[in-house]
Amino acid sequence: VQLQQWGAGLLKPSETLSLTCAVHGGSFSGYFWNWVRQPPGKGLEWIGEIYHSGKVTYNPSLESRLTISVDTSNNQFSLKLHSVTAADTAVYYCARGLRRGISPRYGLDVWGPGTTVTVSS
Amino acid sequence: DIVMTQSPLSLPVTPGEPASISCRSSQSLLHSDRYNYLDWYLQKPGQSPQLLIYLGSSRAPGVPDRFSASGSGTDFTLKISRVEADDVGVYYCMQTLHTPPTFGLGTKLEIK
Repeated sequence: VQLQQWGAGLLKPSETLSLTCAVHGGSFSGYFWNWVRQPPGKGLEWIGEIYHSGKVTYNPSLESRLTISVDTSNNQFSLKLHSVTAADTAVYYCARGLRRGISPRYGLDVWGPGTTVTVSS
Repeated sequence: DIVMTQSPLSLPVTPGEPASISCRSSQSLLHSDRYNYLDWYLQKPGQSPQLLIYLGSSRAPGVPDRFSASGSGTDFTLKISRVEADDVGVYYCMQTLHTPPTFGLGTKLEIK
């Protein structure tokens, strides 16, 4: 399984960050599809996840500005973060998450290469 | 949010020597299914993070058996039995039991 991600890398404050992640070589169903970001020189922050059915869970700290959607026909999922500021500057990763039955999610076992997004006026 | 506290933040290690990283969570990560929802990741320089350990102590496919992990509840440990040069990078623990999932600040392992 490989994840390919793309989207605009330079944004102005108040614009909308838009990224897409395509899943190649594996099943799309049965997994959670995640977005994680990493500000320059800092640690990792979980943004949100979407199941193939469309069920989403967002980080409450970003929820008011966040939309994660899925396109099962093309094995893709997308991230939109509205009204960005400099604080949203980061490398954004997509990642596959695991789950067993009805138990909680665990294990981000496949990661995309990351997309650097810079917010600057 | 659940706070994940890692120590040490920096870990210089001589090749061939063991290494140990601690991770503590502000709430228990033990689920009623008896699994601990704690994962370990390694982010090598310039790369995406990679999963090393999931559910507290299970090695991800392809991870050398030099890596092991243990712990339950709120206290967890990642151990490397014999550090190699390829092990350099930042190690993160991550809890997934509570929403939102949260990461520790990371432990930077470097070779002496």
